[in-house]
Parts: sequence; structure tokens; C-alpha cells
Amino acid sequence: GAVVSQHPSWVICKSGTSVKIECRSLDFQATTMFWYRQFPKQSLMLMATSNEGSKATYEQGVEKDKFLINHASLTLSTLTVTSAHPEDSSFYICSARIWRWTSGATLSHEQYFGPGTRLTVT
Amino acid sequence: QQQVKQSPQSLIVQKGGISIINCAYENTAFDYFPWYQQFPGKGPALLIAIRPDVSEKKEGRFTISFNKSAKQFSLHIMDSQPGDSATYFCAASTRRAGGTSYGKLTFGQGTILTVHP
Repeated sequence: GAVVSQHPSWVICKSGTSVKIECRSLDFQATTMFWYRQFPKQSLMLMATSNEGSKATYEQGVEKDKFLINHASLTLSTLTVTSAHPEDSSFYICSARIWRWTSGATLSHEQYFGPGTRLTVT
Repeated sequence: QQQVKQSPQSLIVQKGGISIINCAYENTAFDYFPWYQQFPGKGPALLIAIRPDVSEKKEGRFTISFNKSAKQFSLHIMDSQPGDSATYFCAASTRRAGGTSYGKLTFGQGTILTVHP
């Protein structure tokens, strides 16, 4: 259980075009999904928090008009990179939050990550 | 205060040896500490996680040790295998509702582990 998929796994686009990346929770519903960006040999940087049915919350320094996030259903969030430029080339990873009951009857949550999408802008 | 500092940056271990990766945090509001394993070109996979009410958690060859007073936690990989070669990330988050950091993961810088056969 707790499988997250992303599509496409890699994409090459020309500078100035827009690219949409899909993130799906396959076997659970996720009211909250997260979008990360990772440069080679670096850690994951949180870009935004996507909440189903409401506007995404962006981290400081992330351009909301450039990285459009839509969380239209409990199993799907999309990230659209608008007017992409070579500096937007990166590995984009989504995660979905799942709630679980733990021992002691405590409701807890964990994040499960998708396989990532490699974006190359030429 | 949101940082999680991870060391070493890279680690080379012989097959069968013990791999140890350390993390330190500042934010005392953190109350959930997961470790993720990432292979090249793949997304991170949740390996093991611990809450601060326990000092150690073991799952198979993987053990987390947690020192609340020192605000440090570490991952031990026993009997390391070449298949364990990957990048490991520690992370921390707060599970208390409210506040801008709720539920968000703060990642360490990552450790590239190489296990030689």
C-alpha cells in the first residue's frame, strides 16, 4: 500500500513552453500532497503544499505564477511549469500524505514519495 | 532553527560492515524523524521512522537511535550490503496541528553510501 505515481517520468521541452506533471496516489486518498525539487547531488527542496479543493501554499522564493499547482481530486495533484527556461531543468518529486492509526490509538501521518519526473528544458 | 544537519556527506563501507549516519536538529517542535533511501533517478523511499518517546527503533538491519537531550538521531545499517548503496536522507517534521511547519518535512543534506563487495 501507499503507492504514489508520477507522469511523465521524464520530459524534454523547448524554452518558453509549459509542462504539466501529474502526481497520483494509487491506493489511498490524499488530501495533502507536496511538491519538491531536487538538483543533482543535493537534498530535496519543498516547493509547495497542495491541498485538495483549495489553493496551494508556496514556500518562500517559489514563484506561484510559474509553478501552477492544482489538486482537483483526492488522488491527483498536478504541477505545471509555465514558460519553462533551462534553469527550471531539475528533478521534480511529489509526495502524498497518508494518515494511519498507530499503537496507542494515535492518529499519525507519513509521506510517501513518487518516483520523480526529470525535466530538461532546451 | 529549521535546519537538520546530516553527516557524513559520503561514506564507504565494506560488505558486512556497519554504516552509521548522523543527524542533528535545532527545532524542539520536531516530533517525527524519518529516514529515506534514494537510488539514482528515483524518488525517496521511507525506510524507518521514530518518534521522540522512544530511544531506539529497529527494523531488520536498520536501526534508528534517538537522543532527545542532545537533539540528535542516527541510522545504523548492520551487515551492510552492496544493494544498500544509495543516498540516505534524514528528515524531521512536527505533527502538532497548527503553525506553518505542520506536517512539512525538513531534510538533511544527504549521505551517499557506497558498500564495497
